[in-house]
Amino acid sequence: QVQLVESGGGVVQPGRSLRLSCAASGFTFSSYVMHWVRQAPGKGLEWVAVISYDGSKKYYADSVKGRVTISRDNSKNTLSLQMSSLRAEDTAVYYCARGSVVVTAMQDSWGQGTLVTVSS
Amino acid sequence: SYVLTQPPSVSVAPGQTARMTCGGDNIGGDSVHWYQQKPGQAPVLVVADDSGRPSGIPERISGSSSGNTATLSITEVAAGDEADYFCQVWDTSRDHVVFGGGTKLTVL
Repeated sequence: QVQLVESGGGVVQPGRSLRLSCAASGFTFSSYVMHWVRQAPGKGLEWVAVISYDGSKKYYADSVKGRVTISRDNSKNTLSLQMSSLRAEDTAVYYCARGSVVVTAMQDSWGQGTLVTVSS
Repeated sequence: SYVLTQPPSVSVAPGQTARMTCGGDNIGGDSVHWYQQKPGQAPVLVVADDSGRPSGIPERISGSSSGNTATLSITEVAAGDEADYFCQVWDTSRDHVVFGGGTKLTVL
């Protein structure tokens, strides 16, 4: 079955950087679009970024554009999110989610998330 | 930017039908997806492409979309259906995923 396991979360000071990873298994990772979606404590879902199956297309939410880079390593079945210049408002649970075979919305499988806390 | 509007809460008695709306400009022309999220858990896709049901989702859950409103319906509501429900579309003008603010379903 599809399994997505996020890692890399933790407490980080404002202005610092953090790299999140997502290990995928149970499906042909290189055939699927992948997303990062976050959820601040007590708030709704906020889409962060998406990457095409081959990494050639990447799109970002306005709130993170220029501070975040999504990438993937299809040889290692791994999705990453490099975050820099972190702010308090980036505090959230970050979910890795499998998309479709083309770049659209819809995520049919989600990881359990990793918590990022930005605080001094 | 494209905005999806959901009522913050919907309450329904057990056994009744819950209807949760998602408003957006000409949303009927988009593919709308719905997610259920229970406390402390990751979201689960319950309706894809307006009305499709992923494997494992009961027939009690259905979706429709027309004009400026998409609707998620749950018949024979039970306590286990209490959750937050989010609608979602792809904003083709900006290549962005857009989520609605979510509706909290309470079973009385």
